[in-house]
This record gives sequence, C-alpha cells and structure tokens, in this order.
Amino acid sequence: EDQVTQSPEALRLQEGESSSLNCSYTVSGLRGLFWYRQDPGKGPEFLFTLYSAGEEKEKERLKATLTKKESFLHITAPKPEDSATYLCAVQAGDSWGKLQFGAGTQVVVTP
Amino acid sequence: GAGVSQSPSNKVTEKGKDVELRCDPISGHTALYWYRQRLGQGLEFLIYFQGNSAPDKSGLPSDRFSAERTGESVSTLTIQRTQQEDSAVYLCASSLGAFGNRFGSGTRLTVV
Repeated sequence: EDQVTQSPEALRLQEGESSSLNCSYTVSGLRGLFWYRQDPGKGPEFLFTLYSAGEEKEKERLKATLTKKESFLHITAPKPEDSATYLCAVQAGDSWGKLQFGAGTQVVVTP
Repeated sequence: GAGVSQSPSNKVTEKGKDVELRCDPISGHTALYWYRQRLGQGLEFLIYFQGNSAPDKSGLPSDRFSAERTGESVSTLTIQRTQQEDSAVYLCASSLGAFGNRFGSGTRLTVV
C-alpha cells in the first residue's frame, strides 16, 4: 500500500536556525513529489514539484531535494514568516492528478 | 478567476441535514479535485473530475457523499444526512494538466 510519512510532526526553531523536514514515501511508480505550505485557515499553497531522484528546487530560503525513498525540505536561516505547516504529497501510478498527502510538519519560528 | 474559489467558507449544520459545498476552479483548468482535511490530519482525496466526468471516485467515504461538475466549471459536493464525523475542512483544487494542483481556501463544515 502506498504511504507518505512526514517527520518530525512539529518543529520549533529560533530565527536563523536552519533545519530540514523529511518526507519518506513508498509508492508504486512515482510520477511526482510535491511540497505545499499551509497557513492556518487557508488552503495549501504550492511550493515545489520534484520528478526524479537527484532533482533539487529552490525558492528563497527553501530548498527541496529528492532521492528514491525520501524528500527533504531544507529551511535556511528561517524567519518568523516561515512559520506554517509544510505538507508533502506524491502522485503515483495511474492516479493521474490525484495526490496522496502526508500528515504534515508544523514549523514555528520564533524571533 | 485568479484562484480557486470555494463557498461557503464556513458552514454549521445540524446532524441529519444535507449540505452543498461549491467550488469555482481556475478558469481553463480541466481537472478538479475534492479533498477532506480533518483537524490535525493530512488531506484525504475524495474525488477527481476531468471535464464533467469523474474517472476516480475512490475516496468518497460513503454513498451519502456525491459530487457533480458542470462542464469544465463549477463543482458541487453534496453530503446527505450529515454525521458528526463529517466535520472537517473540505478543500477543492484544480489543475490544467496532470500536475500542479492549486487549492482554494476550503469550506469548514461543522456538524452539531
């Protein structure tokens, strides 16, 4: 059965303290891995799509990487505005656009 | 429109009543998805539309749940005889191709 597991569940960082979030997956025929950011009371906001092992994408203080078994979201020198829940999702097999999500990592960055 | 629009943003209903949730996708997006997010949990897939047909309804939790879509436009998710376990945020997303779901802000449903 396909599974997406995110760790840690919650992360508290000091402003400027870099860290990484993990998303491990077991799926048949990965077609894409997605990272989203979700703020309270809002829908997920798209961040990155990764398609193949070795691929990396960057946006401001965020960098996403992908291996055959997991993806990391690195947050470099975070600011309080980076506080959010970060969701990982995979698209696999013949599911076309359907996404399977992990439970998310809640990140709090304190000044 | 500029983004995916959902209405209402909040809905409180009594147990046993029917509710309808509406989603207006991004103009031109052919694919539309409904997800459910229970408090503190990840998103659960409910149903996917390509145009006005639904090739994948595998996530609908029971026959009390149904959805329809008019052409490549508005979709309505209907929950009949609501139960307390139906309380959740219902999120709609749309995409032009197979990738790149863009989400609305959701409808928070509370069944009392």
